[in-house]
Amino acid sequence: RKEVEQDPGPFNVPEGATVAFNCTYSNSASQSFFWYRQDCRKEPKLLMSVYSSGNEDGRFTAQLNRASQYISLLIRDSKLSDSATYLCVVNIGYGGSQGNLIFGKGTKLSVKP
Amino acid sequence: SAVISQKPSRDICQRGTSLTIQCQVDSQVTMMFWYRQQPGQSLTLIATANQGSEATYESGFVIDKFPISRPNLTFSTLTVSNMSPEDSSIYLCSVGSPNQPQHFGDGTRLSIL
Repeated sequence: RKEVEQDPGPFNVPEGATVAFNCTYSNSASQSFFWYRQDCRKEPKLLMSVYSSGNEDGRFTAQLNRASQYISLLIRDSKLSDSATYLCVVNIGYGGSQGNLIFGKGTKLSVKP
Repeated sequence: SAVISQKPSRDICQRGTSLTIQCQVDSQVTMMFWYRQQPGQSLTLIATANQGSEATYESGFVIDKFPISRPNLTFSTLTVSNMSPEDSSIYLCSVGSPNQPQHFGDGTRLSIL
């Protein structure tokens, strides 16, 4: 089983749609969770951290369910500029290398006019 | 967040040669990392660059192939040695603190002929 698994995608949605991405992780000792966004041929950029209580940043809502080892990202009122690959990222923090991030393969979103 | 500069941004190299990639940060950072992103894949951690000591390599990566230096808290280099076409990839450095999100340089796109 892969350490971080995401929806296979791609998601093709019209402007204004609401879209949800799901992610599961296998390591129950995982300590912190993030969503990154990666545009084509660019580096990943942090979109938002994911907190146990759930958190919202404008049109973006992230949720974490530790019992089910499940993370989600909801994008409301999609914009053309939201088109990108969304990476689910988990910090497994083992040993002395507590910066070890495990990346999902990403879900590609394409928002159409 | 810190400004991270990578050089070169891209290169085309002959097989059997070596290339050193530089990562410069505009402020002192606790942790620096090197990742590889092969075509169509997600990011894989190569190693954690430790200031003043040998890097900590992940499974499947060895010092002879990917020597890393980190002489101070703002600079690191990754060398890709004796390159083959399989090394064609994007190489990214990132910076961060334990259990915090990492921020990435804009990557080095490497093609091996």
